[in-house]
Amino acid sequence: DTGVSQNPRHKITKRGQNVTFRCDPISEHNRLYWYRQTLGQGPEFLTYFQNEAQLEKSRLLSDRFSAERPKGSFSTLEIQRTEQGDSAMYLCATTGGSYNEQFFGPGTRLTVL
Amino acid sequence: AQTVTQSQPEMSVQEAETVTLSCTYDTSENNYYLFWYKQPPSRQMILVIRQEAYKQQNATENRFSVNFQKAAKSFSLKISDSQLGDTAMYFCAFMKHIDDKIIFGKGTRLHILP
Repeated sequence: DTGVSQNPRHKITKRGQNVTFRCDPISEHNRLYWYRQTLGQGPEFLTYFQNEAQLEKSRLLSDRFSAERPKGSFSTLEIQRTEQGDSAMYLCATTGGSYNEQFFGPGTRLTVL
Repeated sequence: AQTVTQSQPEMSVQEAETVTLSCTYDTSENNYYLFWYKQPPSRQMILVIRQEAYKQQNATENRFSVNFQKAAKSFSLKISDSQLGDTAMYFCAFMKHIDDKIIFGKGTRLHILP
């Protein structure tokens, strides 16, 4: 266990529904990253936060995706009007030390039917 | 744009043998960071080893070591005395700046056979 938690661990939804995932970082980690991992692929960067500020968003993050980190602690990733192509593992990672290691959560596996 | 390439989708070795996983990358940066991450089945991704590009000495962590060839943009991982618990997906990864996003390769699925 790396200390980063994600909920839910699994989510099955129907196409067109909205879903929201949560990531709880290691305490006092000020940087938080979201990645998406599809089957057989490596994780791909989506977005990241420095405290509550969202500093960068990938082209993968379409208008249907929104991420927040309102108090600089936990973060949420919302997908509106889900599509089958959104089916993937959504990973959260956090870092806060000078060693700059990113600690990954267990991920939320999304299945869109 | 930086890219990371892992040319071995899957490998199998006998327990106690030594195995080398290959990785090449492309960047125009001079200073950067390279990593190998391990993702066991249904478990969290964990860092295996890291290398700073400005360091000439290859990183070593117990049974894990790297062969970093900066000019060739090659970064291979050697696992000595492989154990059943080493069975996992292994991702080679690149990071341009400290605290930057990580760019991952597609991974190598490693099976350690009893």
